[in-house]
Amino acid sequence: QVQLQESGPGLVKPSETLSLTCTVSGGSISNSIHYWGWIRQPPGKGLEWIGSVYYSGTTYFSPSLRGRVTMSVDTSKNQFSLKLNSVTAADTAVYYCARKGDSGYADWGQGTLVTVSS
Amino acid sequence: QTVVTQEPSLTVSPGGTVTLTCASSTGAVTSGYNANWFQQKPGQAPRALIYSATNKHSWTPARFSGSLLGGKAALTLSGVQPEDEAEYYCLLYYGGAQPSWVFGGGTKLTVL
Repeated sequence: QVQLQESGPGLVKPSETLSLTCTVSGGSISNSIHYWGWIRQPPGKGLEWIGSVYYSGTTYFSPSLRGRVTMSVDTSKNQFSLKLNSVTAADTAVYYCARKGDSGYADWGQGTLVTVSS
Repeated sequence: QTVVTQEPSLTVSPGGTVTLTCASSTGAVTSGYNANWFQQKPGQAPRALIYSATNKHSWTPARFSGSLLGGKAALTLSGVQPEDEAEYYCLLYYGGAQPSWVFGGGTKLTVL
């Protein structure tokens, strides 16, 4: 059974770059049927799809975040990463990584809270 | 900006049946939108229930079912249990030159 675990700083200053990594265990990130995604949830609010990355490096992003977000894959470490630049308080959220396959977004990490504050 | 709309809140009695819907601002939701449904309880990560509009995961209780109904994606709970009280989110796929997914705003289901 695949497991996903987010990691990264829990506090980021305004205007700086938020960086998170998702470590995948129990399955290969290079599996050609899967995409690897990031979703976030501001405190007390709903879910927002941020984007996804394929093992080859192909990426898809939410139109509302395109221009501020990059994603990458490190197959040697079985990890994928999210970078969101020029953050503001509105980017404060729980960030989830997830795996998307033929059965949709079936597998999720537990989430990590990132607070944007000086 | 594409908007996916769900009922903000619904209330159902234990043992009853309730249907949650998921509409797209772009028009009728069809199978191509690959609707996913998730359940989220406070303090927990979302748990996948349904994919491709009608398919259940191995862990999805039999009382949950997905469908396409009247131009919307729908999630029906039959024989509701107290533990079904949760927030429910749908997720739709938008293809094209720059594919993306969009979550609905969520439905808070109260079992009372």
